[in-house]
Amino acid sequence: GQQVMQIPQYQHVQEGEDFTTYCNSSTTLSNIQWYKQRPGGHPVFLIQLVKSGEVKKQKRLTFQFGEAKKNSSLHITATQTTDVGTYFCAGGYGGSQGNLIFGKGTKLSVKP
Amino acid sequence: ETGVTQTPRHLVMGMTNKKSLKCEQHLGHNAMYWYKQSAKKPLELMFVYSLEERVENNSVPSRFSPECPNSSHLFLHLHTLQPEDSALYLCASSQESFGNTGELFFGEGSRLTVL
Repeated sequence: GQQVMQIPQYQHVQEGEDFTTYCNSSTTLSNIQWYKQRPGGHPVFLIQLVKSGEVKKQKRLTFQFGEAKKNSSLHITATQTTDVGTYFCAGGYGGSQGNLIFGKGTKLSVKP
Repeated sequence: ETGVTQTPRHLVMGMTNKKSLKCEQHLGHNAMYWYKQSAKKPLELMFVYSLEERVENNSVPSRFSPECPNSSHLFLHLHTLQPEDSALYLCASSQESFGNTGELFFGEGSRLTVL
């Protein structure tokens, strides 16, 4: 079945360093969404990408959707302790509701 | 406050008990979802309701029984669960249009422990 692979599983950085997490799908996606889950919290929507090659920015966060619409990345510049949490990508394959497949997530820890 | 409220937040039950999880959304969305989140596993979609009709059931064991009486309320009825069913159960809602899954708004989750 459809699967979204996300790497790395864990990332430990020093505050101020950059961070990137990557998602890959074996088949073409119609869209991709990104979520952040703080420790002890619930996933919170960050952004959705739809177009091939799309790049969107939210302050220090940069989201990219690959040209083939099979991969995506989230890059955080100059991490802060408030960035701690698990970042999930979720690939949409279109069609009926519910065709949103989540990656396993990347757990980010930031050392002050 | 996400507009999606789940109760109870924590639940401990024995394998022979029957309990229910409740979810209510105040966002006027037309789709509601149950997800299961276990350690070291991706978020697993269990059930989807669109306009109060179940449109997806991802091979979930029959000991989990969903109910959607209206577009704002969603229940997950639990009976004769197994210890491996212990997990965080997340409810979510979204506004669906033409087969596109919109932004998911998650509740804070119900942490279930099966003894």
